[in-house]
Amino acid sequence: QKEVEQDPGPLSVPEGAIVSLNCTYSNSAFQYFMWYRQYSRKGPELLMYTYSSGNKEDGRFTAQVDKSSKYISLFIRDSQPSDSATYLCAMSATGANSKLTFGKGITLSVRP
Amino acid sequence: GAVVSQHPSRVICKSGTSVKIECRSLDFQATTMFWYRQFPKQSLMLMATSNEGSKATYEQGVEKDKFLINHASLTLSTLTVTSAHPEDSSFYICSARAGIYSRQKLFFGSGTQLSVL
Repeated sequence: QKEVEQDPGPLSVPEGAIVSLNCTYSNSAFQYFMWYRQYSRKGPELLMYTYSSGNKEDGRFTAQVDKSSKYISLFIRDSQPSDSATYLCAMSATGANSKLTFGKGITLSVRP
Repeated sequence: GAVVSQHPSRVICKSGTSVKIECRSLDFQATTMFWYRQFPKQSLMLMATSNEGSKATYEQGVEKDKFLINHASLTLSTLTVTSAHPEDSSFYICSARAGIYSRQKLFFGSGTQLSVL
């Protein structure tokens, strides 16, 4: 079993839809959870950053972490064509030398 | 957020030549930088971790003599692909961890597409 599993998609939704992206993980030591957005041939951009369980909201984006289920989600409200990109979940344990483990990424397309 | 600049964005070279990729943290001091490789429709694969002033730590399976990493200052790390071959063609991305931000936050460069003919 991979440490981080992410549905590879792709996912296509109409403009204005609510998008739900998910990742599951197996390492109970993970404490930091992130979502990155990556446009084609560009470096990933940090979207959301969460420590431990709970919800975090930033504009149209909401990140949820359920450590008991080892499940994290990213919700995008009122999706826009500019949201079309690849979304990668990432997570790490505590400790100065902890490395970031990424999901495979899911490609989202928002149709006008 | 912090800005990481990576150059060049694209490079095409002949087989057997060496290519250097630069990664700079523009508005913060990066004590640790990471180099990733990404194949099409795949996730990021960590190649090595470099700490300023010390030797890089390579991930299992990554040839340290082929992928030379230098982190000579707190704002600059370089990756040199030596004697490049077509199988080295890939998208290379650097990232930096800023001391003033949480340790687990990484800021990425814009990536370098390497094509070896």
